[in-house]
Amino acid sequence: DIQMTQSPSTLSASVGDRVTITCRTSQSISSNLAWYQQKPGKAPKLLIYKASSLESGVPSRFSGSGSGPEFTLTISSLQPDDFATYYCQQYKSYPITFGQGTRLEIE
Amino acid sequence: EVQLVESGGGLVQPGGSLRLSCAASGFTFSDHYMDWVRQAPGKGLEWVGRTRNKANSYTTEYAASVKGRFTISRDESKNSLYLHMNSLKTEDTAVYYCARVNVNVLTGYHFDYWGQGTLVTASS
Repeated sequence: DIQMTQSPSTLSASVGDRVTITCRTSQSISSNLAWYQQKPGKAPKLLIYKASSLESGVPSRFSGSGSGPEFTLTISSLQPDDFATYYCQQYKSYPITFGQGTRLEIE
Repeated sequence: EVQLVESGGGLVQPGGSLRLSCAASGFTFSDHYMDWVRQAPGKGLEWVGRTRNKANSYTTEYAASVKGRFTISRDESKNSLYLHMNSLKTEDTAVYYCARVNVNVLTGYHFDYWGQGTLVTASS
């Protein structure tokens, strides 16, 4: 199975900050990686697919980069609505696997 | 508008069975792979399994943790996805989401739409 390791597990930041979340994979996945945002009690929401493609309707302050084994999700200027948990996911091979999540908190 | 609505969750005793449903609308259901993903209370996301689309004969894949106990099926006439869960364990307690898979070789097979989830509690 492909292991997905996200860091940090928790990140404290302020509105306006630039933040970066990292996802490291245990095997090559090419660019078969997505990022999701989840708020408490809600379903995950797709932000980024194919490592760096922004999903339609997602604000441009979100960006993704990397091509393995290290990928990053960057939020250029944090907004109050961005405080949530973020997950990376590989869809290169079965079983599909997710990172353990990064909780983004208000500092 | 794409909509996925899960139902069927509830309290079940360990060893029991339950069937979850996911009603899909707003897209051509038979064109898409469909997955189940679960989330135990306070934990991260765990992939459960997949059913491929009509072009791929609706074949299935499962996580090792549920293989042999869970079965994914779909009814194209009802635009519905199902998760049949048998021999439930306490560790199967989770919110279960259905998710639509984007089927595009160029952009990849990520999850582009999710349902709201349904809670399954396996407890005596």
